[in-house]
Amino acid sequence: DAKTTQPTSMDCAEGRAANLPCNHSTISGNEYVYWYRQIHSQGPQYIIHGLKNNETNEMASLIITEDRKSSTLILPHATLRDTAVYYCIVREPLEKGKLTFGQGTILTVHP
Amino acid sequence: EAQVTQNPRYLITVTGKKLTVTCSQNMNHEYMSWYRQDPGLGLRQIYYSMNVEVTDKGDVPEGYKVSRKEKRNFPLILESPSPNQTSLYFCASSFGLHTGELFFGEGSRLTVL
Repeated sequence: DAKTTQPTSMDCAEGRAANLPCNHSTISGNEYVYWYRQIHSQGPQYIIHGLKNNETNEMASLIITEDRKSSTLILPHATLRDTAVYYCIVREPLEKGKLTFGQGTILTVHP
Repeated sequence: EAQVTQNPRYLITVTGKKLTVTCSQNMNHEYMSWYRQDPGLGLRQIYYSMNVEVTDKGDVPEGYKVSRKEKRNFPLILESPSPNQTSLYFCASSFGLHTGELFFGEGSRLTVL
């Protein structure tokens, strides 16, 4: 089960891009990278996921390095409502159901 | 509306009094899972279920039981709650683990005195 390493906290100014890094150096070839976020004590919310190509949706972009050992979640225009804990997780192979969340990054968006 | 519903949302109970936290999803999802969240420890997986009658332990299963008799429901049972099970609990579901997106419930805050 590949583990991830994220900075404990980050700050970002409102309206600027927030770039959240994640290291997953032991990721295996068939493991996806997922990002979730949790606002206050609400249930975590799915953001985006990818295997090796960069991905974009209405919420964010995901950039995965060519060696797949790290990735960056980009919130292009952060708002105050993006203040949350962001989790980068790597999913185990299909036949297993374990899904481990790390500590995440506390992103604080300032006015 | 697609959702994962947990009940109760808040509960204060006493040591040893059996309780069940229910979880129901209306999306016909195969995969369901329970997590607990504690300060400084993040989200930890308790049990998961890949389909009806198929359950397996997560990272912190001690003191908990689950069952999956029907697809939509995945109750978490605390046979003899203890104070160290005071926590915020989340249920989650997904159509299949390979699809990636987990839908989480709103959480159940449990206090065991």
